[in-house]
Amino acid sequence: NAGVTQTPKFRILKIGQSMTLQCTQDMNHNYMYWYRQDPGMGLKLIYYSVGAGITDKGEVPNGYNVSRSTTEDFPLRLELAAPSQTSVYFCASSRNLEKLFFGSGTQLSVL
Amino acid sequence: DAKTTQPNSMESNEEEPVHLPCNHSTISGTDYIHWYRQLPSQGPEYVIHGLTSNVNNRMASLAIAEDRKSSTLILHRATLRDAAVYYCILRDAPNAGKSTFGDGTTLTVKP
Repeated sequence: NAGVTQTPKFRILKIGQSMTLQCTQDMNHNYMYWYRQDPGMGLKLIYYSVGAGITDKGEVPNGYNVSRSTTEDFPLRLELAAPSQTSVYFCASSRNLEKLFFGSGTQLSVL
Repeated sequence: DAKTTQPNSMESNEEEPVHLPCNHSTISGTDYIHWYRQLPSQGPEYVIHGLTSNVNNRMASLAIAEDRKSSTLILHRATLRDAAVYYCILRDAPNAGKSTFGDGTTLTVKP
């Protein structure tokens, strides 16, 4: 099993550009999450999903969008990138309230 | 969402036990207590979780207070590889397990 796979690992965007961070899991997990982590800080929840077709906002959703068309995939879309979105982004999944599996992260810089 | 409070940092000597505390005084009856750790430049890694009873696995033990308002992660013999940031989080059953990560406890292990 590959677990949770995130792509790309690194990306530099210019202000105002858009991009999609990809996340896929092969464990048939129903719950999926997107977090961001600023330097020296804990993780903040951006969006989450309890299953295909169902998504909801977390603590810091502004500037982001998600979709969940399949169980496996949970892409995160950044529209009109801003310097405040410079961060490391982690995708995670779990089967109900069992342990969370995290991807290796995407380091994003907006310049 | 219920929050957790952890000390910013702790130190331990190699091969000695480590007790990492976590306060969660507003925990609800359906919240699961989870612990994760994060090594530099990596995604968080699951350590252990529980609901009411103490739990043991190959990595650690989790001691949960009788009133569930606090818990303690116990590493029985710290190694240098245990140096990491440790996060205690609550997974909220009625809200799809969405979790708030605090800033965690940075554990330093001295040889």
